[in-house]
Amino acid sequence: KNQVEQSPQSLIILEGKNCTLQCNYTVSPFSNLRWYKQDTGRGPVSLTIMTFSENTKSNGRYTATLDADTKQSSLHITASQLSDSASYICVVSRQTGANNLFFGTGTRLTVIP
Amino acid sequence: ETGVTQTPRHLVMGMTNKKSLKCEQHLGHNAMYWYKQSAKKPLELMFVYSLEERVENNSVPSRFSPECPNSSHLFLHLHTLQPEDSALYLCASSQVTSVSGELFFGEGSRLTVL
Repeated sequence: KNQVEQSPQSLIILEGKNCTLQCNYTVSPFSNLRWYKQDTGRGPVSLTIMTFSENTKSNGRYTATLDADTKQSSLHITASQLSDSASYICVVSRQTGANNLFFGTGTRLTVIP
Repeated sequence: ETGVTQTPRHLVMGMTNKKSLKCEQHLGHNAMYWYKQSAKKPLELMFVYSLEERVENNSVPSRFSPECPNSSHLFLHLHTLQPEDSALYLCASSQVTSVSGELFFGEGSRLTVL
């Protein structure tokens, strides 16, 4: 069964601290993995896109990793800011099939001063 | 600004009302989608239009009726909804020929059914 699981479900950290969000998946055959950021009351916005051959990709203070062997990805946020408070959604794409995107339930991150 | 605009942003309707959600994309994409987002659940794909043809209808109740008059516009017609249909409805677009197939989402329409 194609599934995407994210952990933790929610996280509260102090401003300036680092954090890591996890995504495990069973989607096959794998095409790519994306991390989206969704601010409250807004639509999701793509942060990173990773293909099978990519291990690490950075976008400013956001660094995503991918281990295609263990089917795990992480999103590391460095020096968190209040504006990082949002839900982070992991989306895994399958190579075939009409409905080929599988969404995690997201991690709700709250950064407090 | 993602290039995908949804209206209205908020909608409250009774179970006997008929309303429509509208989505417009300014990105030149050739595929458009409706997703339903409920609390603590993954996004649920409702409908996909590729090149203006419906290619996916994910077992959605008939009280939801999509319409795609052209590649830039997408509607979701609502009638005789149930309270459990209350959710955030997200429109998205993509370029199906793109390798990444990245989705670009609108801001969503928050629907409350009384």
